[in-house]
Amino acid sequence: GQSLEQPSEVTAVEGAIVQINCTYQTSGFYGLSWYQQHDGGAPTFLSYNALDGLEETGRFSSFLSRSDSYGYLLLQELQMKDSASYFCAANNYGQNFVFGPGTRLSVLP
Amino acid sequence: DTGVSQNPRHKITKRGQNVTFRCDPISEHNRLYWYRQTLGQGPEFLTYFQNEAQLEKSRLLSDRFSAERPKGSFSTLEIQRTEQGDSAMYLCASSLTNTGGAAEAFFGQGTRLTVV
Repeated sequence: GQSLEQPSEVTAVEGAIVQINCTYQTSGFYGLSWYQQHDGGAPTFLSYNALDGLEETGRFSSFLSRSDSYGYLLLQELQMKDSASYFCAANNYGQNFVFGPGTRLSVLP
Repeated sequence: DTGVSQNPRHKITKRGQNVTFRCDPISEHNRLYWYRQTLGQGPEFLTYFQNEAQLEKSRLLSDRFSAERPKGSFSTLEIQRTEQGDSAMYLCASSLTNTGGAAEAFFGQGTRLTVV
């Protein structure tokens, strides 16, 4: 089967750094994406890792280790607007995306 | 381009009725996906199209569900004989895909279905 695991909730304060982990078990793994979804909104793309290592996009960074079937999303200089759900998604055989259950991030003042 | 558009945004229907949703993807995107999402869960894959061809359908998808993408443009998702368990947000996404697959999918705002 295919499955991804993430922590269900994470809480941090404004200005802090938070890391959201994702482990996956999928066949035909091509890469790992991260999406942000605010309540009532659509998932929006944050980053994608096809190769091992760190990808940096502004305040957000994402890491992938294929040998460990593990990745994480790093959010720096947290802002209140970062409060949302974050999903990792495995690119499955280059065909579709299998999403994790999501991590709800709460940023406190 | 205004992004991925889904209609209607909300649908309330009685159990046993048929419903149809429409998705208009980003115009140059060759791949279109349908997902279902319930509260507190991640999007669950339903099916996807490469141009007009439906290439994969989730094994979890009941035969009451059918999707089409005529001419490789917009897509429709029909649910026949709706059940209360079908109540969910139905998300459409599109991507521009090469042989390595897509890194990024663009999602619409979804159609929220409530079956009463």
